[in-house]
Amino acid sequence: SYELTQPPSVSVSPGQTARITCSGDTLPKKYAYWYQQKSGQAPVLVIYEDTQRPSGIPERFSGSISGTMATLTISGAQVEDEADYHCYSTDRSGYGGVFGGGTKLTVL
Amino acid sequence: EVQLVQSGAEVKKPGESLKISCKGSGYSFRTYWIGWVRQMPGKGLEWMGIIHPGDSDIRYSPSFQGQVTISVDRSINTAFLQWSSLKASDTAIYYCARRTYLDYWGQGTLVIVSS
Repeated sequence: SYELTQPPSVSVSPGQTARITCSGDTLPKKYAYWYQQKSGQAPVLVIYEDTQRPSGIPERFSGSISGTMATLTISGAQVEDEADYHCYSTDRSGYGGVFGGGTKLTVL
Repeated sequence: EVQLVQSGAEVKKPGESLKISCKGSGYSFRTYWIGWVRQMPGKGLEWMGIIHPGDSDIRYSPSFQGQVTISVDRSINTAFLQWSSLKASDTAIYYCARRTYLDYWGQGTLVIVSS
């Protein structure tokens, strides 16, 4: 079965750049998506189609892709960015979805 | 404004059946896929399956095939997720979300299965 792999945790100080990675064999062919999930809340889409930012998402959030690895970068991370971040992509059919295990970002 | 509003929390006993709902508004409901996602307590997100309201095309994750049923009622802009016989391991928050890439999410439905 298809898998996406994320680090369990990332920690940065406020104002630093946080980078969260997601690796998967089909990422060179299928888009990566990123969701922010704050404690007790539903996930929110922060990056779609590898690099695109939905309206309303701060510019400090960006996405990139290199080979089999997608990266979510938060430039100048703020305390309010502390959350779980989940990457997502589709399988080879384009309809089956799969999530990474999630990364807990700590900003303190 | 795009909104997905889910039904309220449920407390059920093992073996009971359950059907939870997800009502879309603020967009053309028949146009976009609706997906279902499970989040077990303290765990990550799991993709369960998707349905296209326009033609009821359904795709299930192999992990959930045969365990749940996804359906839709176009007349009331609502998608459903149902179980015929719940297990304690079905205890989780269930989210619906729009499109194959889940751009808008419902608020989640907490399902607790306990004897």
